[in-house]
Amino acid sequence: EAGVTQFPSHSVIEKGQTVTLRCDPISGHDNLYWYRRVMGKEIKFLLHFVKESKQDESGMPNNRFLAERTGGTYSTLKVQPAELEDSGVYFCASSQRGSSYEQYFGPGTRLTVT
Amino acid sequence: AQSVAQPEDQVNVAEGNPLTVKCTYSVSGNPYLFWYVQYPNRGLQFLLKYITGDNLVKGSYGFEAEFNKSQTSFHLKKPSALVSDSALYFCAVRDPEANTGFQKLVFGTGTRLLVSP
Repeated sequence: EAGVTQFPSHSVIEKGQTVTLRCDPISGHDNLYWYRRVMGKEIKFLLHFVKESKQDESGMPNNRFLAERTGGTYSTLKVQPAELEDSGVYFCASSQRGSSYEQYFGPGTRLTVT
Repeated sequence: AQSVAQPEDQVNVAEGNPLTVKCTYSVSGNPYLFWYVQYPNRGLQFLLKYITGDNLVKGSYGFEAEFNKSQTSFHLKKPSALVSDSALYFCAVRDPEANTGFQKLVFGTGTRLLVSP
């Protein structure tokens, strides 16, 4: 069974540019999550999809971040325009439906905004 | 709001010795607790979880953790450390009884484990 995949693995962009991150969850997982780790600090929750619906987006930092999950399969996270403080590692995770299931994480996308 | 504390930035242990990585948590209800490990240039890998039942849970690679409700702790342990255990370890909590955000994980800042030969 393939794990969670993320693309790209690294992205370096200039302040003010746009970047789109992609996440492909484990097949059959209804739940999809985005997290971010900034400057070596704790990993922070951004948002949660159940299929194509946003269940919880309380962690999204501001309206420069837009997440979508059309069709309930893969998800994209767009940052527009990027700021220096957006640099960090963006993780995607997925889990089966049900409250006790663990989340499986992808390898992350390292975003550097210069 | 839920929170997790990992008081040690780094833990050093010699190969063959027992290891403990500490974690304490704060939630309003009964917690779901998790440990994840991150090896260099890799994603987070699930190690073990506590949902309910036996306070001692066993996970991958010989790791185990003990849930202690009175001390609000969930320390990760291994009887005999290996050099290959060197990695970054994250403790996380979910509050399944929260009105909102009951699915999200709240992580600690991570503890780097260095096992010397």
